[in-house]
Amino acid sequence: EAGVAQSPRYKIIEKRQSVAFWCNPISGHATLYWYQQILGQGPKLLIQFQNNGVVDDSQLPKDRFSAERLKGVDSTLKIQPAKLEDSAVYLCASSLGTGGNTEAFFGQGTRLTVV
Amino acid sequence: GQNIDQPTEMTATEGAIVQINCTYQTSGFNGLFWYQQHAGEAPTFLSYNVLDGLEEKGRFSSFLSRSKGYSYLLLKELQMKDSASYLCAVRDHGNNRLAFGKGNQVVVIP
Repeated sequence: EAGVAQSPRYKIIEKRQSVAFWCNPISGHATLYWYQQILGQGPKLLIQFQNNGVVDDSQLPKDRFSAERLKGVDSTLKIQPAKLEDSAVYLCASSLGTGGNTEAFFGQGTRLTVV
Repeated sequence: GQNIDQPTEMTATEGAIVQINCTYQTSGFNGLFWYQQHAGEAPTFLSYNVLDGLEEKGRFSSFLSRSKGYSYLLLKELQMKDSASYLCAVRDHGNNRLAFGKGNQVVVIP
């Protein structure tokens, strides 16, 4: 079974530029998560989708971050414009659902460096 | 909302036992997960607790007390490959969001 796919693996941009990350979850997984992980910290939930609807985006900086999950499958996360403090690994995860023992499976992440 | 607290780092010797604690506060509890994350890699699932008590899985065990908002992960017979960050994550019952703690870095030395 294919895992969660993310691209690109690495990205370096200058501050004030825009960047987009792509995620393809495990087939059949209804729930998709985007996390931001700054070096030395735990993953911080940015947005959680159930199919193509947003379950939680309370920690998404909406003035510069946006995410969509068209057709309830793939998802993109965009930052526009980027700031130095956005340098982090952006992890996408998916799970079958949100009830019971539905563990989240993670992709390899996109390491973003803003210079 | 959720508030999850974990100590930051510990060092232990190969073959030893280490306990990693996690305390949490949530408006509605719907399960606690433990993940392992090696440096530069994605987190991988270790264990899940939703009822009070101990769940054992080989060298790893996880305990939950819902009344105390407390869990621990027990690593036995430590191996060098166990050097990693250990993250606890809590699922909230209201909107089912999955929030992680800061993680606890375990360094295993010979």
